[in-house]
Amino acid sequence: QKEVEQDPGPLSVPEGAIVSLNCTYSNSAFQYFMWYRQYSRKGPELLMYTYSSGNKEDGRFTAQVDKSSKYISLFIRDSQPSDSATYLCAMRPSNDYKLSFGAGTTVTVRA
Amino acid sequence: DAGVTQSPTHLIKTRGQQVTLRCSPKSGHDTVSWYQQALGQGPQFIFQYYEEEERQRGNFPDRFSGHQFPNYSSELNVNALLLGDSALYLCASAWGGYEQYFGPGTRLTVT
Repeated sequence: QKEVEQDPGPLSVPEGAIVSLNCTYSNSAFQYFMWYRQYSRKGPELLMYTYSSGNKEDGRFTAQVDKSSKYISLFIRDSQPSDSATYLCAMRPSNDYKLSFGAGTTVTVRA
Repeated sequence: DAGVTQSPTHLIKTRGQQVTLRCSPKSGHDTVSWYQQALGQGPQFIFQYYEEEERQRGNFPDRFSGHQFPNYSSELNVNALLLGDSALYLCASAWGGYEQYFGPGTRLTVT
């Protein structure tokens, strides 16, 4: 079993729709949770960085963490064609520098 | 403000050869981590350098080694290349090692 599970998709939505992405994990020591966006053949770009459980909102992006269920989510409101990319979840324990990543979900937003 | 830079962009090597990849961190960052990303997978942690020392290492063989220079830039060296080493190699920098920002990557092809 992988430490971090992420549905690879692909996910295709019309422009303006809400995109819902999620990851599950098995290591209860994970405390910090991140979402990265990666365009084809580029490096990952940090979108959201959250600590422990709760919600965090930044513009059209909302990240949710439910540590009791070992489940994290990313919602993208009013999706745009420019949001078409692979979205990677990542996480780490406190006082640990190694990020553990999901395999990524490929999203296409159709104009 | 320049972000994380990596060189070269692409590289083609033959099995058994050695390769050196280079990374310059984002201004103000003192920590460099290296990750390997195979096609269709999330990045896998190789190691992290801080104060010119390897601070943490992932599950990679000793063929993978690194170095950090006094200006915080870093090199990743891979010896005795295998076909399976073909991947995108990502460098990430941080202040203190935690919130990591990625460079564009070096795509290594081993033939």
